[in-house]
Amino acid sequence: AQSVTQPDIHITVSEGASLELRCNYSYGATPYLFWYVQSPGQGLQLLLKYFSGDTLVQGIKGFEAEFKRSQSSFNLRKPSVHWSDAAEYFCAVGAAGSSNTGKLIFGQGTTLQVKP
Amino acid sequence: DAGVTQSPTHLIKTRGQQVTLRCSPKSGHDTVSWYQQALGQGPQFIFQYYEEEERQRGNFPDRFSGHQFPNYSSELNVNALLLGDSALYLCASSFYSRGPEAFFGQGTRLTVV
Repeated sequence: AQSVTQPDIHITVSEGASLELRCNYSYGATPYLFWYVQSPGQGLQLLLKYFSGDTLVQGIKGFEAEFKRSQSSFNLRKPSVHWSDAAEYFCAVGAAGSSNTGKLIFGQGTTLQVKP
Repeated sequence: DAGVTQSPTHLIKTRGQQVTLRCSPKSGHDTVSWYQQALGQGPQFIFQYYEEEERQRGNFPDRFSGHQFPNYSSELNVNALLLGDSALYLCASSFYSRGPEAFFGQGTRLTVV
């Protein structure tokens, strides 16, 4: 079955510290991978995406993620967290082509709290 | 360039009633997908519309239905509302031919009382 697992429900980091949010997926086909961020009561903003090619992808707001096929992982990282990064982060997987075009499967999300 | 717009932003309905939510996709996009996000959960795929037809459907009952108009905008209808339908409903737009990269609206917060 297709699924996305975000093992950490809640993470707290100090401002200026580095951040890594974990994402593991189970998907039979070649996956498209995404990270979205959601502020309270808001919609989802796309941070970055991986379709193919270089397994280290850069996104907005200084975020990056690395695709590791052997580990079925797509972890999100940021070298130095800002207080404004506090939000909910969602990893999602989708399929290229076929009848699954457009459908995204989301993880449960990780809540990031930033301490001053 | 307007992004994905949804209306209304908030809605309160009574059990058993019917509700219609609306979505205008990002300019140039031809595909609209709807998601339900319960409190503390990730979004769950409801269905997707392209060329005015439902192309895919998630695990939701027939009480959930939709429509896409020639201008690519879309409606989500929910009949016989249950308390468990209370959630944030998100609309996402995309290019059908370019895969699942989607842009989301701000959502409609539906509360069923």
